[in-house]
Amino acid sequence: GEDVEQSLFLSVREGDSSVINCTYTDSSSTYLYWYKQEPGAGLQLLTYIFSNMDMKQDQRLTVLLNKKDKHLSLRIADTQTGDSAIYFCAETSLSSSASKIIFGSGTRLSIRP
Amino acid sequence: DAGVIQSPRHEVTEMGQEVTLRCKPISGHDYLFWYRQTMMRGLELLIYFNNNVPIDDSGMPEDRFSAKMPNASFSTLKIQPSEPRDSAVYFCASSLWQGGSGEQFFGPGTRLTVL
Repeated sequence: GEDVEQSLFLSVREGDSSVINCTYTDSSSTYLYWYKQEPGAGLQLLTYIFSNMDMKQDQRLTVLLNKKDKHLSLRIADTQTGDSAIYFCAETSLSSSASKIIFGSGTRLSIRP
Repeated sequence: DAGVIQSPRHEVTEMGQEVTLRCKPISGHDYLFWYRQTMMRGLELLIYFNNNVPIDDSGMPEDRFSAKMPNASFSTLKIQPSEPRDSAVYFCASSLWQGGSGEQFFGPGTRLTVL
């Protein structure tokens, strides 16, 4: 079945760039997402990329998609303390039931002063 | 819109008791999802509905768990009887699939503690 994998933890210094990586198995993925979960809250969509794109930039966020390697990354420039959260990589595809999203285990991003 | 609404936000109960979690999806959304999140297992999809009809309940852990969606604006997740290992945060999410990105909107979650 479909699977999404990502590392569990990442620690970066404030002001540096954070890069969170993700791999997925479904070659028919149509949308790939990054969700953010702050403490005590639900997941919130941060950004998404359509599978026919290889890059998307939105202010401090850059998403890179390597469809050949099934690799997705999220770069956060100038990381701030407010970026501390769990980041979930996710995908949906036409091969799965419509609207079902497969989530990774989440990467906990911590910021060092 | 107020977003996805879940109640209660916190629930503490004793083992063996029945627990009912409630969810109101965003108006107009045609999909509703129930997830469970724990440190050990991460985020697990329990069940999801399309137009009030259960589509996939393969993630429901046991017969003790049941979910209903009597109408487009309300869903419940029931655990009977509850056990300590059911302690988790339960999220409800909704989405509108047609013509969009399939984004799921999550509620704030219900933190369940079973003693």
